[in-house]
Amino acid sequence: DTGVSQDPRHKITKRGQNVTFRCDPISEHNRLYWYRQTLGQGPEFLTYFQNEAQLEKSRLLSDRFSAERPKGSFSTLEIQRTEQGDSAMYLCASSLGLREQETQYFGPGTRLLVL
Amino acid sequence: KNEVEQSPQNLTAQEGEFITINCSYSVGISALHWLQQHPGGGIVSLFMLSSGKKKHGRLIATINIQEKHSSLHITASHPRDSAVYICAVHPFQGAQKLVFGQGTRLTINP
Repeated sequence: DTGVSQDPRHKITKRGQNVTFRCDPISEHNRLYWYRQTLGQGPEFLTYFQNEAQLEKSRLLSDRFSAERPKGSFSTLEIQRTEQGDSAMYLCASSLGLREQETQYFGPGTRLLVL
Repeated sequence: KNEVEQSPQNLTAQEGEFITINCSYSVGISALHWLQQHPGGGIVSLFMLSSGKKKHGRLIATINIQEKHSSLHITASHPRDSAVYICAVHPFQGAQKLVFGQGTRLTINP
């Protein structure tokens, strides 16, 4: 257990439905990252926050995806009008935010299946 | 072509063998990570390095910045080392995000 938690751990939904995932980082960590991992592949970067500011978004993050970190603590990732191609593991990670490159601590992930 | 390539994709070995996993990257980087992922998804950071060599227990990571290559070695491998090992880099142009390789699935048989 790295100290990063994600909820839910598993989500099954029907195509077209909206889903929201939550990530609680390690409490003193200022940076929070979202990644997506499809079966048999390495993770892909989606977005990251420094405190409450969303500083970078991947081109993978279509307009159906939105992420927030309203108070600089927990973060949510929402997917609207889900598609079967959204089926993946969604990983959250956090880091202290003191250095340019740091060890990232990963949560257990939320596995999404879109039927 | 992916910016980060790992080899081999799959590796099966007997307990006790010396293991080497390779990572090559095509972009300029500021740091490289080696990560371990067990079944079920949990990812653990093993090393972050930007030059030279690091050792932790039976694990050794090396990096050659000029050749854009890193290796992860496991000495005296054990079945509990069975996992997916992932190389990831911080590219210069996006210092915070990580760009990942596809992973190497390692199986150590008793």
